[in-house]
Amino acid sequence: EPEVTQTPSHQVTQMGQEVILRCVPISNHLYFYWYRQILGQKVEFLVSFYNNEISEKSEIFDDQFSVERPDGSNFTLKIRSTKLEDSAMYFCASESPPDTQYFGPGTRLTVL
Amino acid sequence: AQSVTQLGSHVSVSEGALVLLRCNYSSSVPPYLFWYVQYPNQGLQLLLKYTSAATLVKGINGFEAEFKKSETSFHLTKPSAHMSDAAEYFCAVSAAGGSNYKLTFGKGTLLTVNP
Repeated sequence: EPEVTQTPSHQVTQMGQEVILRCVPISNHLYFYWYRQILGQKVEFLVSFYNNEISEKSEIFDDQFSVERPDGSNFTLKIRSTKLEDSAMYFCASESPPDTQYFGPGTRLTVL
Repeated sequence: AQSVTQLGSHVSVSEGALVLLRCNYSSSVPPYLFWYVQYPNQGLQLLLKYTSAATLVKGINGFEAEFKKSETSFHLTKPSAHMSDAAEYFCAVSAAGGSNYKLTFGKGTLLTVNP
């Protein structure tokens, strides 16, 4: 069964460093999302992406964040200068019409 | 704006007992509603969804949920709990209408099943 994959499973970085989280969505899906879950809190929407552009972004998704679909298969989330409060589990999801988002296993980001 | 409230951050049941996980939503537009399950160290797996067809929806692993508009609820039930049901369960809402709508999640309910 097709699934969304994410790499790495765990990323440790120093505050101020750039990180890139990678996702491979299900191959025929058209809509892509990033969510995050800070430990002990709810899963929060970050950004949605369709037709090579951002469809919607949350207030969390500030100028430090960017997304890209560089080669038609990968979908990446970049954080330019990480902060301690960026430590969280980051989930990628992909969707094909009509309405179901399929989630990857997540990347745990730890900022020291 | 949309929001989800899950009553009870932790529910404990005995094996074979009824499972009831509560979810209430708020939405300014007709909603789609979802239950996801997260097993330890895994991603979110869709259990079931309501997308404006039948109000009683059946999902995987014997779970079902009923959409009650008058109560703005979408509670998840299973008649008989199994040890393998132990996981965290998330209720989520999106705007009705199809794709490309963000999910808004509740805080989750951790289900433990006692032998």
